Amino acid sequence: GEDVEQSLFLSVREGDSSVINCTYTDSSSTYLYWYKQEPGAGLQLLTYIFSNMDMKQDQRLTVLLNKKDKHLSLRIADTQTGDSAIYFCAETGGFKTIFGAGTRLFVKA
Amino acid sequence: ETGVTQSPTHLIKTRGQQVTLRCSSQSGHNTVSWYQQALGQGPQFIFQYYREEENGRGNFPPRFSGLQFPNYSSELNVNALELDDSALYLCASSREAPGTSGETQYFGPGTRLLVL
Repeated sequence: GEDVEQSLFLSVREGDSSVINCTYTDSSSTYLYWYKQEPGAGLQLLTYIFSNMDMKQDQRLTVLLNKKDKHLSLRIADTQTGDSAIYFCAETGGFKTIFGAGTRLFVKA
Repeated sequence: ETGVTQSPTHLIKTRGQQVTLRCSSQSGHNTVSWYQQALGQGPQFIFQYYREEENGRGNFPPRFSGLQFPNYSSELNVNALELDDSALYLCASSREAPGTSGETQYFGPGTRLLVL
């Protein structure tokens, strides 16, 4: 079946790098996404990667995809207090998008 | 700002009642998807509409139904509300189906529904 798993919590110090990991099961997924959700808000698309890519960099964000292991990661460089939020990994292989339960990132000043 | 709006922002209903949630997409966005996000969970796909036809459905019972209109607005209707229907309901729009040639979804801020 389709499933996306993430660790629930991550705590880092301001200025350090954060790495949020995700595993998925649907090998037919064509796109994998990272969304950010702040308290009381909807989902903000951060970045996405096509399944035939290994890496994508966008300013402070680096996405790594290991398709063999079905593992996706999001690295946030120079993490700031404003990065504190819930981060969702998601996959799309057809008409629907499957989300993980989210990783809550705490950034300590 | 994603250009996707939802109404109302909050709603309280009682068990057994019916509710209609509304979403307004960006002009030109032919696809709308609805998601249910329970507290502490990720969004769960309810269904998707493309050019006013249901395009796919997740594991939700028939009492969850929808409509999409030509003016890029849409509705989610839930009949016979249950306590477990309490959640944040999100709509997301895109020009084509997500996953099509890099198509991405734009999410609205959601409607928070509480069923007592």
